[in-house]
Amino acid sequence: QQQVKQSPQSLIVQKGGIPIINCAYENTAFDYFPWYQQFPGKGPALLIAIRPDVSEKKEGRFTISFNKSAKQFSLHIMDSQPGDSATYFCAATLTGANNLFFGTGTRLTVIP
Amino acid sequence: NAGVMQNPRHLVRRRGQEARLRCSPMKGHSHVYWYRQLPEEGLKFMVYLQKENIIDESGMPKERFSAEFPKEGPSILRIQQVVRGDSAAYFCASSPLGTATEAFFGQGTRLTVV
Repeated sequence: QQQVKQSPQSLIVQKGGIPIINCAYENTAFDYFPWYQQFPGKGPALLIAIRPDVSEKKEGRFTISFNKSAKQFSLHIMDSQPGDSATYFCAATLTGANNLFFGTGTRLTVIP
Repeated sequence: NAGVMQNPRHLVRRRGQEARLRCSPMKGHSHVYWYRQLPEEGLKFMVYLQKENIIDESGMPKERFSAEFPKEGPSILRIQQVVRGDSAAYFCASSPLGTATEAFFGQGTRLTVV
């Protein structure tokens, strides 16, 4: 059973565009929603995270939007750059839990 | 402060052989997590260990897989009698306080079973 569903599987945008990656979760007890960025051959690196007490969080060009009632959250990348080309994973967990539940990943390509 | 170190980076094993994957956590971290990433899939939790203890192995396959984190030395994920379906990237993460929300990931070991 996939606890976190992620879409799209892949995404291609022009430089300067705003790619949006969506995730939906099942467990209403989840209270921490991070996004990870993974470059080829590297491990996932934490990009930005949100808790359900806010509907939006922005760090630089990266923004998370969170809809608690719909059990959905999304990542927006403003003014995307070729260097943002990577695979992005959403995840969810409970505070104090032993593990993260990951989405299946979105491969983003930003064309110069 | 070096990050989470995993070795080897790439490992090729023939079916039936044993694979040993090593993970040295970040300095000051005594909590280690292992995840497996199958091709075109997200990471899936396998096991969580503290020094000398397995805390949660709910994601570990029941057979052939084992993990340890001794008092001295790295954490080891061991796969006995490997099969083609074990081919994957295996990631280790470590945290200082034992919460998954504060874990840092290593670069992974890519296991190929031929």
